[in-house]
Amino acid sequence: AQSVAQPEDQVNVAEGNPLTVKCTYSVSGNPYLFWYVQYPNRGLQFLLKYITGDNLVKGSYGFEAEFNKSQTSFHLKKPSALVSDSALYFCAVRDETGGSYIPTFGRGTSLIVHP
Amino acid sequence: KAGVTQTPRYLIKTRGQQVTLSCSPISGHRSVSWYQQTPGQGLQFLFEYFSETQRNKGNFPGRFSGRQFSNSRSEMNVSTLELGDSALYLCASSSGQPAYEQYFGPGTRLTVT
Repeated sequence: AQSVAQPEDQVNVAEGNPLTVKCTYSVSGNPYLFWYVQYPNRGLQFLLKYITGDNLVKGSYGFEAEFNKSQTSFHLKKPSALVSDSALYFCAVRDETGGSYIPTFGRGTSLIVHP
Repeated sequence: KAGVTQTPRYLIKTRGQQVTLSCSPISGHRSVSWYQQTPGQGLQFLFEYFSETQRNKGNFPGRFSGRQFSNSRSEMNVSTLELGDSALYLCASSSGQPAYEQYFGPGTRLTVT
């Protein structure tokens, strides 16, 4: 079975400060990990993914994420937050060997960037 | 490339009625997945169709059904609507391979009164 946890319902950060949105996962085999962002009244948009290779993955809008196998984490980061980054962020995981083509999504973390 | 489109964007239905939602995936994508999003339950997987066959199914009652056509367009049907079916229904398309991301449509906001 595969699962993902986003331990924070909400993250508050001041504009210009670095931000981190946390994600931990559980899979039997190797993970495929994804981050998506959802703006109000919109569908989810793909930000970045980790499949294999370099543990630091860079994605859209200046976001990056670090894969840590020993801590089973895939935290989303950005060096300098913008007010326009305020949105709902979802982490998702697929087990490479689990046989399911469907990702499991976390419950989402609301990011609020204050001016 | 055009994105994923969903119609209608908004629907208001009465309890007991049925509803059909439509999704057109990105050209070339053979997998279409449906999700229900509510504030309390988050994003819940309904089912996935790949090349006209249901490949995966979530834990929803039989009132929720779907199908996929030869052009990969998909429809989702909910019969005997209940108040608890009020939600944002999202469609996502992908190549169907595990390493590839999903592309989501804007959703259909269903309100059941």
